[in-house]
Amino acid sequence: EAQVTQNPRYLITVTGKKLTVTCSQNMNHEYMSWYRQDPGLGLRQIYYSMNVEVTDKGDVPEGYKVSRKEKRNFPLILESPSPNQTSLYFCASSRGVTGEKLFFGSGTQLSVL
Amino acid sequence: QKEVEQNSGPLSVPEGAIASLNCTYSDRGSQSFFWYRQYSGKSPELIMSIYSNGDKEDGRFTAQLNKASQYVSLLIRDSQPSDSATYLCAVRIFGGFKTIFGAGTRLFVKA
Repeated sequence: EAQVTQNPRYLITVTGKKLTVTCSQNMNHEYMSWYRQDPGLGLRQIYYSMNVEVTDKGDVPEGYKVSRKEKRNFPLILESPSPNQTSLYFCASSRGVTGEKLFFGSGTQLSVL
Repeated sequence: QKEVEQNSGPLSVPEGAIASLNCTYSDRGSQSFFWYRQYSGKSPELIMSIYSNGDKEDGRFTAQLNKASQYVSLLIRDSQPSDSATYLCAVRIFGGFKTIFGAGTRLFVKA
C-alpha cells in the first residue's frame, strides 16, 4: 500500500529535550516536506526537500532541522524543543520536485511542556 | 494580507444542497491550485487540482478558477453528511517549490 508513515503519532516531552519525528514514504517520491498545523493558521511549511541531500527552508524553519540521506526518509529534528513548538505536524511527499499533489502522513501531535 | 485566504466558517448546508467554498490568493504568479479535504483528527487528502481558468468537474465536485480575480472555488453538489470536514485551499507559485495553504473552511452538512 502506497503511504507516508510518520512516527510517533503522539509525543509529550519537556522543554529542551531533543526529539526526532520520523517520516518514510514507499512511493519513490522525490519531494518531501514537513508542515505544522495550528488552529486558525492552517498548514505552514517548515522544511522541504526536492531530492536526496537537497533541502530548503519553508516559512517557519526556526528551531527545526531536517536531513535527507535516503530518498524514502525525511526526519524532523527538534534540537531544543520549546512550548511554542506544540503543534500538529504532518509529513508529506509528492512525485516530481515541485511539491504538487501532496500525500500526507497521519500526523504527529506534539506537546512540549 | 495572507497569501491564501479562506472564510473559516463554519459553513452549514442541508443534505442534498450545493456547498460553495471560496478562496482568494495574493500572488499573481500562482500557477497551480488545489483543494484538500481534512476530516477531524485526520490528515489532508487531495480532492481536486486545477491549473487553467474555468471549471473542472470530478463527480460531485467542481473546481472553478478565475486568475484575473485571483479566485478559486469548490462546489460540492448533492452534499452528504460524509462531506462534513475542513476544506483547505492550496496554491503553488510558478517556479516555486512549495505549496501554500489557506487556513481552511469548516463545512457541516446537516442530515
